[in-house]
Amino acid sequence: AQSVSQHNHHVILSEAASLELGCNYSYGGTVNLFWYVQYPGQHLQLLLKYFSGDPLVKGIKGFEAEFIKSKFSFNLRKPSVQWSDTAEYFCAVKAGNNRLAFGKGNQVVVIP
Amino acid sequence: DTGVSQNPRHKITKRGQNVTFRCDPISEHNRLYWYRQTLGQGPEFLTYFQNEAQLEKSRLLSDRFSAERPKGSFSTLEIQRTEQGDSAMYLCASSDPINTEAFFGQGTRLTVV
Repeated sequence: AQSVSQHNHHVILSEAASLELGCNYSYGGTVNLFWYVQYPGQHLQLLLKYFSGDPLVKGIKGFEAEFIKSKFSFNLRKPSVQWSDTAEYFCAVKAGNNRLAFGKGNQVVVIP
Repeated sequence: DTGVSQNPRHKITKRGQNVTFRCDPISEHNRLYWYRQTLGQGPEFLTYFQNEAQLEKSRLLSDRFSAERPKGSFSTLEIQRTEQGDSAMYLCASSDPINTEAFFGQGTRLTVV
C-alpha cells in the first residue's frame, strides 16, 4: 500500500516569508498527486493536483508544487505567504486504486 | 450550496450506543468515499462506493462499522456499540470518474463518552 510522508508537522513563519512543505510517497508506479488545504473551521479543499505532463504544477492562491519522479517527491511552495495562509496542509497520493492516501499534514501558522 | 453535505456536524454519544451519519454527495458524482481523521493525523480511508456498489473496504472498517449507499445517491455510515476509540472526525468525499478530484464535506465529529 502506498504511504505518504510529510515532515515538519508544525511550521511557524512571518508574512512575506517563503514556504516549502515536503511530501514523499512510496509507490513505484503511476501516481496522481494532490495537495489539500484545510483552513480553520472549514472542509478540506484542493490546492493543486498532478496527473501527468509538466511536473511543475500551479494551484490556487499562488501555490505551486513540483513532482520529482526520481525522488518520489511532490513538494509544495509559495514564495510569499500571507496571514490567510494559516491552515493545515495535506499531501495525498492516489496510486492504482481508488483511495487517497494522506500524509499526517503540516500545521502552518503565519504571523502577521 | 452544491458541495458535499454531511449530517450531523457533531455527535456526542455514550459508549455502547449506535450512531449513524449521513452524506449527500455532489449530485453528478457517482463515486463516494468515507474517511476517518483523528487529531494529528491525515484522513484515513474507510470505504468507497461506485454508484450503489461498495467496492473497497479498509481493514480499519471493523465489523461494527457498516456503510450503505442504497440508491447510488446519499450514503450512511453506521457504527454499532461505539467505543471511545471511535471518537474522530468522519469525512465523506465524492468524485466523478473523469476528474478523479475528490470533494470533501465538512465532516461529522463523533465524541464517544
